[in-house]
Amino acid sequence: AQSVAQPEDQVNVAEGNPLTVKCTYSVSGNPYLFWYVQYPNRGLQFLLKYITGDNLVKGSYGFEAEFNKSQTSFHLKKPSALVSDSALYFCAVRLGHNAGNMLTFGGGTRLMVKP
Amino acid sequence: DAGVIQSPRHEVTEMGQEVTLRCKPISGHDYLFWYRQTMMRGLELLIYFNNNVPIDDSGMPEDRFSAKMPNASFSTLKIQPSEPRDSAVYFCASSLEGGVDETQYFGPGTRLLVL
Repeated sequence: AQSVAQPEDQVNVAEGNPLTVKCTYSVSGNPYLFWYVQYPNRGLQFLLKYITGDNLVKGSYGFEAEFNKSQTSFHLKKPSALVSDSALYFCAVRLGHNAGNMLTFGGGTRLMVKP
Repeated sequence: DAGVIQSPRHEVTEMGQEVTLRCKPISGHDYLFWYRQTMMRGLELLIYFNNNVPIDDSGMPEDRFSAKMPNASFSTLKIQPSEPRDSAVYFCASSLEGGVDETQYFGPGTRLLVL
């Protein structure tokens, strides 16, 4: 069975500093990996995904994530955090193609960016 | 496209009453998902459909919950009778299998409070 772990419930970072939100996964095949962001009182918004190819994936709002197969990780990063990045972030995994489009989500990490 | 549409956005009801949540997926999408989000349990997949057919309902909490998709542009999630522990935010999402963009797109959610 596939699973996703986000080991940190909350990440605090000062505005302008780099940020990392961690995600590790467990699947038996080739994973499709996703990051979603949820702002207060809103639905989840797609941020970026890894399907195949370059291990460094660039997404919306200056975010990027690096797929590391040996460490089974897909950490979300941004070089310089903004206060407006404060939100709830979800990592998700799907077991390759033809896997029914079903995603398994992590528990979420709350990112707090302080001025 | 207007994105995934959910109604109502907010619902307050009394224990024992029937509650019906509605979802209109993005036109052309062939997968539809119902999720529930609570502080205690995070984001849970309740059920998902492919081409209007329920594929996996193992996440449905109990027989009080039922979901239907009578056509490609409409789905309902019904709770009868409702209980206070059903209070949560319910999200609908849709996606397109096999397309270049195999991302799930989420609606804004329905915030349900059962008194």
